Amino acid sequence: DQQVKQNSPSLSVQEGRISILNCDYTNSMFDYFLWYKKYPAEGPTFLISISSIKDKNEDGRFTVFLNKSAKHLSLHIVPSQPGDSAVYFCAASDSGGYQKVTFGTGTKLQVIP
Amino acid sequence: DVKVTQSSRYLVKRTGEKVFLECVQDMDHENMFWYRQDPGLGLRLIYFSYDVKMKEKGDIPEGYSVSREKKERFSLILESASTNQTSMYLCASSLTPWAGELFFGEGSRLTVL
Repeated sequence: DQQVKQNSPSLSVQEGRISILNCDYTNSMFDYFLWYKKYPAEGPTFLISISSIKDKNEDGRFTVFLNKSAKHLSLHIVPSQPGDSAVYFCAASDSGGYQKVTFGTGTKLQVIP
Repeated sequence: DVKVTQSSRYLVKRTGEKVFLECVQDMDHENMFWYRQDPGLGLRLIYFSYDVKMKEKGDIPEGYSVSREKKERFSLILESASTNQTSMYLCASSLTPWAGELFFGEGSRLTVL
């Protein structure tokens, strides 16, 4: 039972354009959401997060949007750069209990120069 | 900077062997985790620990055990390795008692022949 879903395994975007990565979740208890970025042969690194009390969080070129009613979040990268090419994992958790973060299957982003 | 160190980057073991994967973090984090990453399946939680000598099963604990004798060290044990345990294993730690940012190690690529 995949509680966090990233339906696009891959995405290609031209440098300078917007990258939009999508994520859906099914567990209504999730109230904290994170995005991680992973380069080959490295561990994932935290990118940005959002609490369910907000619908948008911005950090430089990265913005995460949360639509609780649709159980959907998205990560926008503007403008996209070749160094953004990586696998992006969406993650979610229920902060009411002990920490247990559930990850999606990942989306491989390729930014074409 | 938080550093999470995994003892082996690459291991090759034979079916039936006992395998130890070691993880050490240097930031006094309470929580530690073991995930495995497989293509198309994302990161799946095997076990986590929120205190010394405490452990909780994740989503896929079968065939694995863990040990946390000291706060900084969390070990993953495969009692009798099988070919379906060939995977990338990722250790992580976090400070917050609720769902927050995870700090990952670089991963251990295990191949079971």
